Amino acid sequence: RKEVEQDPGPFNVPEGATVAFNCTYSNSASQSFFWYRQDCRKEPKLLMSVYSSGNEDGRFTAQLNRASQYISLLIRDSKLSDSATYLCVVKGAGTASKLTFGTGTRLQVTL
Amino acid sequence: GAVVSQHPSWVICKSGTSVKIECRSLDFQATTMFWYRQFPKQSLMLMATSNEGSKATYEQGVEKDKFLINHASLTLSTLTVTSAHPEDSSFYICSATGTSGTTDTQYFGPGTRLTVL
Repeated sequence: RKEVEQDPGPFNVPEGATVAFNCTYSNSASQSFFWYRQDCRKEPKLLMSVYSSGNEDGRFTAQLNRASQYISLLIRDSKLSDSATYLCVVKGAGTASKLTFGTGTRLQVTL
Repeated sequence: GAVVSQHPSWVICKSGTSVKIECRSLDFQATTMFWYRQFPKQSLMLMATSNEGSKATYEQGVEKDKFLINHASLTLSTLTVTSAHPEDSSFYICSATGTSGTTDTQYFGPGTRLTVL
């Protein structure tokens, strides 16, 4: 079983749509959780951290369910510029602990 | 914000040659640097973790004699792919965490695309 699992997609949605991505992780000792965005042939960039209480950043809402080891990302009012691969990432305890990446979910927003 | 650079951004080499990739933290001191590899349509896979002045810690399955990592200063880590072969062709990305103010976030370099002919 992969440490971090995501539906690879692609998700093809029209502009303005709401789309949700899910992710599960296997290591219950994971301490920190993130969503990264990766554009084609580029490095990943941090989109947002994910907290148990849920958090929102503009059109993006992230949720964490530690009991189910489940993370979600909701994008409202999709823009063409949201087209990218969204990576679910978990991290262990400690500053230097490693990040474990999911394979990513590809989103394509169309006119 | 914290900036990490990589050089070169892409490289093409012949099979059997060695390639060195540099990762630099430009505006912070990187106590720990990470090296990742990403094959097409796959996830980033951590290869090794390096702390300044000490030997790198390699992930299971990564050959330390083939992928030489040096983290000689707080702003520079290098990855040398020795005797590269076509199966080493990949996207190599470094990241860094730093001293106070940058301790919890990993900042990623732009990546180096290696093609071995």
